[in-house]
Amino acid sequence: EVQLVESGGGLVQPGGSLRLSCAASGFTFSSYWMSWVRQAPGKGLEWVANIKQDGSEKYYVDSVKGRFTISRDNAKNSLYLQMNSLRAEDTAVYYCARDLQAAAGTRDDAFDIWGQGTMVTVSS
Amino acid sequence: QPVLTQPPSSSASPGESARLTCTLPSDINVGSYNIYWYQQKPGSPPRYLLYYYSDSDKGQGSGVPSRFSGSKDASANTGILLISGLQSEDEADYYCMIWPSNAWVFGGGTKLTVL
Repeated sequence: EVQLVESGGGLVQPGGSLRLSCAASGFTFSSYWMSWVRQAPGKGLEWVANIKQDGSEKYYVDSVKGRFTISRDNAKNSLYLQMNSLRAEDTAVYYCARDLQAAAGTRDDAFDIWGQGTMVTVSS
Repeated sequence: QPVLTQPPSSSASPGESARLTCTLPSDINVGSYNIYWYQQKPGSPPRYLLYYYSDSDKGQGSGVPSRFSGSKDASANTGILLISGLQSEDEADYYCMIWPSNAWVFGGGTKLTVL
């Protein structure tokens, strides 16, 4: 079964740090870009960051640049999001999602697999 | 990042069709991008529905019924999700998404009510 399982969320004080993990199974993890997407309570979806198959390219939404770092370990089929200098506005459910395969001959499906999400609450 | 504009809400009756729109800013040509669509129900992660570039370049998510389809209106610089034969289970939030330049961008979402 194709699956993504996030972990690492919780309550953290403003200015604190948290590391999210996403364990992938059921597909060739190393063949896909991967993304983190968040959703604040009662709000819409916001893409946070993504990373290329080999980790050589990373992109971030402006609001997290310099504070968040996305990484991956293909040997462990895992995706990570290191979040530093957390703010109240970072409070959200964080989802990992399978991004593009972006290879010749493949379809352009993106975010076709999502995890169930992990809640991050930034509050004193 | 650019803003994709979706109407906050839409409604239609069972059996009818719902046409959900996603308008791109004027400096981004809808004809140049894949438009992605997602469905989200309360308490659940989003579900991938489809992407649409053209009639010859499009993709349907696994298990997504064919009554969900995509299109574009170039004159309005808009991506469209058409849901035909509406069912009560189609009541959900719907989001569009594009990759304009080094970032994925979601629309604000449309809450579809099936009356």
